[in-house]
Amino acid sequence: QQQVKQSPQSLIVQKGGISIINCAYENTAFDYFPWYQQFPGKGPALLIAIRPDVSEKKEGRFTISFNKSAKQFSLHIMDSQPGDSATYFCAASRSTYSGAGSYQLTFGKGTKLSVIP
Amino acid sequence: GAVVSQHPSWVICKSGTSVKIECRSLDFQATTMFWYRQFPKQSLMLMATSNEGSKATYEQGVEKDKFLINHASLTLSTLTVTSAHPEDSSFYICSARVLAGGRVNEQFFGPGTRLTVL
Repeated sequence: QQQVKQSPQSLIVQKGGISIINCAYENTAFDYFPWYQQFPGKGPALLIAIRPDVSEKKEGRFTISFNKSAKQFSLHIMDSQPGDSATYFCAASRSTYSGAGSYQLTFGKGTKLSVIP
Repeated sequence: GAVVSQHPSWVICKSGTSVKIECRSLDFQATTMFWYRQFPKQSLMLMATSNEGSKATYEQGVEKDKFLINHASLTLSTLTVTSAHPEDSSFYICSARVLAGGRVNEQFFGPGTRLTVL
């Protein structure tokens, strides 16, 4: 019930291409879905997040697509650049207080993205 | 905005000593902070939830007497690794949940602390 499954584990994309990372969740109580970008030796940085009242959110080259009925969400990175090479984590949580476990992020296992010139 | 700092960024200590790691939310208040461990090439593993003014909640398998958490104010949580041993060597990361404002309930992470126990 608490799992978030992320795929692929690794991804190699040509510069200028589109990077797509997918996640699926099980707990229907989750209502907040962020994506984090992490460079080696650094903490994760919040990239973009979505709530289930919308099906898509775009910020610059980053877009989240959300399918509530399928319990899936994905990150699209348009015009991928070598500087985007990092590990990306999807996560999910409950964003309102409802006892133990509230606000806790459940993370996917991560996707290592390599953008080659 | 929404910056979280951690101190120190790295620490090397001898086995048996205690190490304190600070996590601060610099420009927002956070009643809830979280502490994670991350092993190389793995995802983040939640250790405990730190609540301002109350006891921390530890995840299953995490020794609360070994990993002491104190959340003394709305901007500071500390993790003390007591009697550290080589197996405690890891990357420790905190996150803070925004209490109010436009980014309420979003979580921002600190830069992490690399602990090496010799």
